Formats: sequence, structure tokens, C-alpha cells
Amino acid sequence: GAVVSQHPSRVICKSGTSVKIECRSLDFQATTMFWYRQFPKKSLMLMATSNEGSKATYEQGVEKDKFLINHASLTLSTLTVTSAHPEDSSFYICSARGGVAGRPYNEQFFGPGTRLTVL
Amino acid sequence: RKEVEQDPGPFNVPEGATVAFNCTYSNSASQSFFWYRQDCRKEPKLLMSVYSSGNEDGRFTAQLNRASQYISLLIRDSKLSDSATYLCVVNGFTGNQFYFGTGTSLTVIP
Repeated sequence: GAVVSQHPSRVICKSGTSVKIECRSLDFQATTMFWYRQFPKKSLMLMATSNEGSKATYEQGVEKDKFLINHASLTLSTLTVTSAHPEDSSFYICSARGGVAGRPYNEQFFGPGTRLTVL
Repeated sequence: RKEVEQDPGPFNVPEGATVAFNCTYSNSASQSFFWYRQDCRKEPKLLMSVYSSGNEDGRFTAQLNRASQYISLLIRDSKLSDSATYLCVVNGFTGNQFYFGTGTSLTVIP
């Protein structure tokens, strides 16, 4: 139980285009979803926190107009990288948190990640 | 100052050794603490939560020191399969954001 999926797993796009990444909790309802970015050999950097039905809370230094987050339902959050540039190339991981029976309340369940390459 | 700081290692230890990692955090109001494990090219997975009273799960022991604002992870009788990156996670000011340390790389050598 508590599976999180991400789609696509890998995407290559041209500079200036927009890319949408989906994060789904498959067998539980995620009250909160988190979006992270991970650079090679570095840890996860929290980008934003989103609660279903409300605006996302962005971390300092993360442009909300560039990284659009929509958390339309308890099982789906999307991250749209608008007008992508090569420096946006990275590994994006989402996680979801919800009331999963038998698991710690604050445990986050991670998706497998999306590798974005902007040419 | 970073929210969470860890020694990145790498730690290279022989099988059967005991190894300990520490992680310091800056927000004294933090309430939730975790250790996650991340294998190469995989997503992080929860290893264990860290409670005020400390907790143990088999060969793994996690402790919290609020006065000094650090958490620790002790691995006894290391196995080859323990090789991974260990990430400490601490919740932030609002309680809703979670911050990861840079991770500590462990390699257990036969």
C-alpha cells in the first residue's frame, strides 16, 4: 500500500516549452503533496508544499510563476515547468502524505521521480 | 544556515561493523524527525521515525537530542545490503514543510 506514481518518468524538451509532471497517490488520499528537486549527488531540495484545494506554499527562491503547482484532488498533484530552460534540467520527485493505516502520521511516500532534460 | 546538516561521508565500513551518523537541525521548534534511505537512482524510503525517547528497530537505533538539536542513527552488525545514502528529515517552522539533509553515503565492504 501507499504507492505514489509519477508521469512521465523521463522527458526531453526544447528550451522555451512547458512540461507538466503528474504525481498520483494510487491507493490512499494525500492531504499534502510535496515537490522536490534533486541534483546529482545532492539531497532533495523542497520546492513547494501543496494541500488539496488550496494554493501551494513555495520555498524561498522558487518562482511560483515558473513552477506551477495544482493539487486538484486528493490523489493528484501536477507540477508544470513553464518556459523551460537548460538550467531547469533536473530530477523532480514528488511525495505524498496522508492517513495511511499503520504508518507514522508524517511519513512521506515518494514517487519514482521524473528526469527532465531541457535542450 | 541550512535547516538540516549532515556529514556527507562517504563512510566505508567492513561487514559487521557498527557505524553512526549524526544530523543537526536549526529550528528548535521542529517536532518530527525521520531517517530515510535512498538507494542509487531510486526514490527515498522511510527507514524509521525518530521519537523523543529514542527507538530501535532490529540493528537500527535512532535517537533525538533536543538540547543539542541533533538526531543520530546507529547501525550495528552492518550488512552489504545496508550500502545506501541515509537522509535525515526534519519538519520546518510551520510543521508542514520537511527538509532533507544532504545525505550520508555508506558503503559496506565485504
